[in-house]
Amino acid sequence: EAGVAQSPRYKIIEKRQSVAFWCNPISGHATLYWYQQILGQGPKLLIQFQNNGVVDDSQLPKDRFSAERLKGVDSTLKIQPAKLEDSAVYLCASSPGTSGTRQETQYFGPGTRLLVL
Amino acid sequence: DQQVKQNSPSLSVQEGRISILNCDYTNSMFDYFLWYKKYPAEGPTFLISISSIKDKNEDGRFTVFLNKSAKHLSLHIVPSQPGDSAVYFCAAISTTQGAQKLVFGQGTRLTINP
Repeated sequence: EAGVAQSPRYKIIEKRQSVAFWCNPISGHATLYWYQQILGQGPKLLIQFQNNGVVDDSQLPKDRFSAERLKGVDSTLKIQPAKLEDSAVYLCASSPGTSGTRQETQYFGPGTRLLVL
Repeated sequence: DQQVKQNSPSLSVQEGRISILNCDYTNSMFDYFLWYKKYPAEGPTFLISISSIKDKNEDGRFTVFLNKSAKHLSLHIVPSQPGDSAVYFCAAISTTQGAQKLVFGQGTRLTINP
């Protein structure tokens, strides 16, 4: 079974530029998550999708971050414009999203390491 | 507001001995706890979990203990092996309006010395 795929693996941009990350979850997984992991910290949830609907985006800085999952499969996370403090690893995860199951294991992709100069 | 805390950034243990990783939490609404393991350049992988109705869960060399009154959990690895060298994240679930929101600690880097 293929895992969660993410691209690119690394990205270097200058501040005020835009950047986009792509995630393809495990086949059949209804729930998709985007996390931000700053160096020395644990992953922090940015947004959670159930199929193509947003379940939780309370920690997404909506003035500069956006995410979509239009067909309920793969997803894109965008930052526009980027700031120095956005330098982090952006992790995508997915889970089956079975109705009624609260404690589902989340499967993580390898992440995209972003450096903003 | 760090709701899940791992106060030891690093831990070094000799091969064959016991590794004990600790985690504290502040939110009494957390009712499910997990440990994830992360190798460099890879995403975290699920290791073991425990529900708040239990105080111990064991899976091979890995055991997680939960002390609800102290809001503390720990991961024991016995015996420790070189392949266990990784960053370990403690995580907790708070279910808000049906959403499964995973809150992570800062991580502890475990190094197993031969």
